[in-house]
Amino acid sequence: GAVVSQHPSWVICKSGTSVKIECRSLDFQATTMFWYRQFPKQSLMLMATSNEGSKATYEQGVEKDKFLINHASLTLSTLTVTSAHPEDSSFYICSARRTGYEQYFGPGTRLTVT
Amino acid sequence: DAKTTQPNSMESNEEEPVHLPCNHSTISGTDYIHWYRQLPSQGPEYVIHGLTSNVNNRMASLAIAEDRKSSTLILHRATLRDAAVYYCILRPLIQGAQKLVFGQGTRLTINP
Repeated sequence: GAVVSQHPSWVICKSGTSVKIECRSLDFQATTMFWYRQFPKQSLMLMATSNEGSKATYEQGVEKDKFLINHASLTLSTLTVTSAHPEDSSFYICSARRTGYEQYFGPGTRLTVT
Repeated sequence: DAKTTQPNSMESNEEEPVHLPCNHSTISGTDYIHWYRQLPSQGPEYVIHGLTSNVNNRMASLAIAEDRKSSTLILHRATLRDAAVYYCILRPLIQGAQKLVFGQGTRLTINP
């Protein structure tokens, strides 16, 4: 089946630093990748959609200069949280989809900003 | 995006069937009904999807009302591993409308 991985699975960083999260589709080529954020006891909130080789489309209210998304290949997308602050602490989940198929989710990355 | 309504929580016993309801009264003719579930501290997992007819797979069954304004996810014999938050999501068939928008879902508790 389709497998999506994320790295790292958890990360702790200091306030003001940047952190990069990788999302890979391991056994298929993803035409589209998505990034979600989930706070404790809440549902997933879509942050942005990215197509390979194109700029990401951000959802309303998501700062594109703070959450940098790069989708350089059909199997890799990265999310960089720039100048992270404690309120950015969250569970970040990516998903990947190929045309005509279901959307498959990664295991998530727990970010803690101290 | 068309909205779905689910109960906040449900509880069932191990080895019993579970029926998880979802209302989607504003569904359009081209909306697929998708179900995902999220186990604690994990990403969501695809469960099943359908358009008009009832669907079965190894994980669950999906019963869709004739008017398509509601659907029910059926777990035939719940196990402790089925404890999760279950999300009912509508996704349009039209080209380009690919994103999944999650509601609050139903938190399913399974009692041993």
